[in-house]
Amino acid sequence: AQSVTQLGSHVSVSEGALVLLRCNYSSSVPPYLFWYVQYPNQGLQLLLKYTSAATLVKGINGFEAEFKKSETSFHLTKPSAHMSDAAEYFCAVSPRFNQAGTALIFGKGTTLSVSS
Amino acid sequence: NAGVTQTPKFRVLKTGQSMTLLCAQDMNHEYMYWYRQDPGMGLRLIHYSVGEGTTAKGEVPDGYNVSRLKKQNFLLGLESAAPSQTSVYFCASSSRGPGLYEQYFGPGTRLTVT
Repeated sequence: AQSVTQLGSHVSVSEGALVLLRCNYSSSVPPYLFWYVQYPNQGLQLLLKYTSAATLVKGINGFEAEFKKSETSFHLTKPSAHMSDAAEYFCAVSPRFNQAGTALIFGKGTTLSVSS
Repeated sequence: NAGVTQTPKFRVLKTGQSMTLLCAQDMNHEYMYWYRQDPGMGLRLIHYSVGEGTTAKGEVPDGYNVSRLKKQNFLLGLESAAPSQTSVYFCASSSRGPGLYEQYFGPGTRLTVT
């Protein structure tokens, strides 16, 4: 069965520092991969997605993620953190050969804190 | 264009009471989903629908029922609420299956069962 693991439930960085949020998936066939962000008291918003067009995916708000098949990873990065990036981030996976109705499988989330 | 809306935003129930959560989307999406979010657990799928009149069970369906009588609405029912159902509930929709198509999420309903 598909699964996704987010390493670190809480990451703290200083404003202007590199943001690195880790995500690993388990699948024999590379799945579709997603990063979502959830700001306090809001729903989830798509940051970016990997669908095999390119291994380096650029998303909104300066975030990007690189798909590495050999490492089964899809880590999220941002060169310079901003206070407004403080939120919870979820990695999600969907099987490539998706059966009708199979939904996203989410990781447990990583809370990003940004200090000034 | 409101996207995905959820009613109510907050609710407190006593054990054994029933309630219905309403999800509405105005994007003409075929697929709709109900998730619950618990601390440290991420989001888990309760039920989903691939079109009007269809529903199917997700990962954690026990204690919940759903209906999709109209394409734009997806209702989640709790027949006899239990404290274990205290959670934040999110509805989502997508134009097609989730593999390639983005899921759009509502703002959530915070439910407390005492």
